Amino acid sequence: ETGVTQSPTHLIKTRGQQVTLRCSSQSGHNTVSWYQQALGQGPQFIFQYYREEENGRGNFPPRFSGLQFPNYSSELNVNALELDDSALYLCASSFGTRPHEQYFGPGTRLTVT
Amino acid sequence: EDQVTQSPEALRLQEGESSSLNCSYTVSGLRGLFWYRQDPGKGPEFLFTLYSAGEEKEKERLKATLTKKESFLHITAPKPEDSATYLCAVLGSNDYKLSFGAGTTVTVRA
Repeated sequence: ETGVTQSPTHLIKTRGQQVTLRCSSQSGHNTVSWYQQALGQGPQFIFQYYREEENGRGNFPPRFSGLQFPNYSSELNVNALELDDSALYLCASSFGTRPHEQYFGPGTRLTVT
Repeated sequence: EDQVTQSPEALRLQEGESSSLNCSYTVSGLRGLFWYRQDPGKGPEFLFTLYSAGEEKEKERLKATLTKKESFLHITAPKPEDSATYLCAVLGSNDYKLSFGAGTTVTVRA
């Protein structure tokens, strides 16, 4: 069984740039959720994708967008990067839209300068 | 809006010194309460799901319990490898979004 993987591990971008983060879900899972975790805080829900459709969204602006592909992998895109976007971005996969058990990837550390 | 508060923020223990972490929650229609362990710079690792008051689950030196307003994570005779941040999250009636607390960072000294 393959776990959740994310790429890249680390990324440094400049304010105003755009970034794409990638996630491969755990084998057998069809739902992907994205979270942002600032230093010293718990993860904050960004959005969830189920069967290639956005299934729910947290309090994040439209410049945060995503995609899910037929193989259930996913991308998180952030446009017009701001300094406050610096965080650990976590992807979690689960089965179905009721995430009784979500399994997280190792995260992508994004630094915006 | 679902709210989760964890206490204490940090806990320093001597090896073998048992203790408890608290997770207080406010949620509309609890569907599940989750405990995760997170090592520095890593993603959270799933530990337990609790669904109803009175439920208990155990894994090695960890035991999680649930009441109608809070959950406790008991660490019995901890070892240095139990050092981590422990996160609590709830799933409410919105059915798709986990709401996390800020975590309790546990340090166990040998």
